[in-house]
Amino acid sequence: DVKVTQSSRYLVKRTGEKVFLECVQDMDHENMFWYRQDPGLGLRLIYFSYDVKMKEKGDIPEGYSVSREKKERFSLILESASTNQTSMYLCASSLSADNEQFFGPGTRLTVL
Amino acid sequence: AQKITQTQPGMFVQEKEAVTLDCTYDTSDQSYGLFWYKQPSSGEMIFLIYQGSYDEQNATEGRYSLNFQKARKSANLVISASQLGDSAMYFCAMREFYNFNKFYFGSGTKLNVKP
Repeated sequence: DVKVTQSSRYLVKRTGEKVFLECVQDMDHENMFWYRQDPGLGLRLIYFSYDVKMKEKGDIPEGYSVSREKKERFSLILESASTNQTSMYLCASSLSADNEQFFGPGTRLTVL
Repeated sequence: AQKITQTQPGMFVQEKEAVTLDCTYDTSDQSYGLFWYKQPSSGEMIFLIYQGSYDEQNATEGRYSLNFQKARKSANLVISASQLGDSAMYFCAMREFYNFNKFYFGSGTKLNVKP
């Protein structure tokens, strides 16, 4: 069965902390994505990666960075968390351009 | 400009009736894909249906069908015979194949199915 896992379902951090969100997929997918979901705004793409060590900015990359050292793992990094980064973060992967994305369960991050 | 527009923030439908959720998109690419996802209150995103820009037939998956009107750039989701379990957020999404495979999502429509 297809699976995308995220390291935490809930996370509470303080302003200025460095935050790591981990995502792992077991489907050998090339493409991986990080989104944030906020009420009324839908899902907004932060970063994506179409191969190991490759990354592309999405629509809202400011304040975030990513790392993809292995095919199955895509990490989202908040270098210095701020309160406006409180959100639901969703990771997804897909095999190719015309295949659907498979989503992880999400991480609800609260920055105090 | 918004890439994906869903103009219905919330909708109600009576159980067993059909409902159409609207989606319009904006792209200058010739090759793109359109997707619909369902997000129940539990939070997981569930893929429902896919339509490629070169597909001539409307996509169908069980009770879901996609009313694809390319000239109007619309990709409405039709759910037939609504069930209580269909109550959820529904997101329309587009992938532009020549734009680094970027995905764009709409703001979603919250569907409530009434018994």
